[in-house]
Amino acid sequence: DAGVIQSPRHEVTEMGQEVTLRCKPISGHDYLFWYRQTMMRGLELLIYFNNNVPIDDSGMPEDRFSAKMPNASFSTLKIQPSEPRDSAVYFCASSDPGTNQPQHFGDGTRLSIL
Amino acid sequence: AQSVTQLGSHVSVSEGALVLLRCNYSSSVPPYLFWYVQYPNQGLQLLLKYTSAATLVKGINGFEAEFKKSETSFHLTKPSAHMSDAAEYFCAVSDLAGGYQKVTFGTGTKLQVIP
Repeated sequence: DAGVIQSPRHEVTEMGQEVTLRCKPISGHDYLFWYRQTMMRGLELLIYFNNNVPIDDSGMPEDRFSAKMPNASFSTLKIQPSEPRDSAVYFCASSDPGTNQPQHFGDGTRLSIL
Repeated sequence: AQSVTQLGSHVSVSEGALVLLRCNYSSSVPPYLFWYVQYPNQGLQLLLKYTSAATLVKGINGFEAEFKKSETSFHLTKPSAHMSDAAEYFCAVSDLAGGYQKVTFGTGTKLQVIP
């Protein structure tokens, strides 16, 4: 089975530009999570969805960040305008429902804002 | 609120030595606990999970973890470290919040294996 697919794997752009990160979860998974990982702050949960509906976006750092899940097989995380401090690795993960179900992570998008 | 604490952000062991990575949890209900591993330039992968069926849980790559309720611990061990075990390890606890799955990750422990 295909795992969680993220694109692009790497993104380098100048500050002020719009950045869009994409995620395709594992088919049949009801939950989708977006994380950010940096050396300074570790792994941070940004937002998560259940059945395409955002459940908790309290981790989204600012209004510059937005996430959507228009259908069960696709989600985007947008940053507009981007800033150098947004540079990080962004992970998407998905899981089956149930507290005993593990999350399956994509390989991440390494974002560099110049 | 549920939480996990990983003691030691960096652990170094010699190749062939015992690996012990510590995790303590705080949960108001019987927890579901997980260990994940992250290799460089990759996402997190599940090593093992505890779901109350057995207190000693065996995972992939020779790792195992023991759930100790009295100590609120879920430490990860491997009898003999291999160079390929060098990675970052995350402990996580899962619970329900508002009727939805809520997962909290620890801050991670980087394992260095010395030849």
